[in-house]
Amino acid sequence: GEDVEQSLFLSVREGDSSVINCTYTDSSSTYLYWYKQEPGAGLQLLTYIFSNMDMKQDQRLTVLLNKKDKHLSLRIADTQTGDSAIYFCAETATGANNLFFGTGTRLTVIP
Amino acid sequence: DTGVSQNPRHKITKRGQNVTFRCDPISEHNRLYWYRQTLGQGPEFLTYFQNEAQLEKSRLLSDRFSAERPKGSFSTLEIQRTEQGDSAMYLCASSSPRGSETQYFGPGTRLLVL
Repeated sequence: GEDVEQSLFLSVREGDSSVINCTYTDSSSTYLYWYKQEPGAGLQLLTYIFSNMDMKQDQRLTVLLNKKDKHLSLRIADTQTGDSAIYFCAETATGANNLFFGTGTRLTVIP
Repeated sequence: DTGVSQNPRHKITKRGQNVTFRCDPISEHNRLYWYRQTLGQGPEFLTYFQNEAQLEKSRLLSDRFSAERPKGSFSTLEIQRTEQGDSAMYLCASSSPRGSETQYFGPGTRLLVL
């Protein structure tokens, strides 16, 4: 079955860059997604990348995709305290319509 | 507000009671999904609708769970004879079949079964 793995915790100082990593199993995923979840809230879509791309940049966010290693990363430049949240990567599996999520990485930004 | 909405936001019930949650998707989205999220985990897929047709159900969706989308717009998720293990956040998402098929999530309904 599909397995999406993420490290559980990341702490960075305000103003530094954060890099959140994810590995996935389904090499035929068409899109890969990053969502942000604040305490007690639903999931907010941050960005997504099409599988034939290596990189996508959107303001402070940079997504890197290494299809050979099935590795996805999210870099947040100039991390702010408001970026403290749980970040989930997700993939769609072959023939499925639903998303498969990792366990999430809790990002803590230290002022 | 044109996002996905869910009601109620919180529900506390006693074991054995039935509960029903509602999801209103983004208006032009014909695809609707239900997920369950337990503490410390990522969301897990429960079921998927395209218009009014329920096309996929996860094995997590036991026979105590039923979901409907009668007119292809809003959806309801009912849990009968609730158990303490049903305590979780229930998330609804919707998507359009065009473009990136990105799923947009509602704020969730947090269920606590006592």
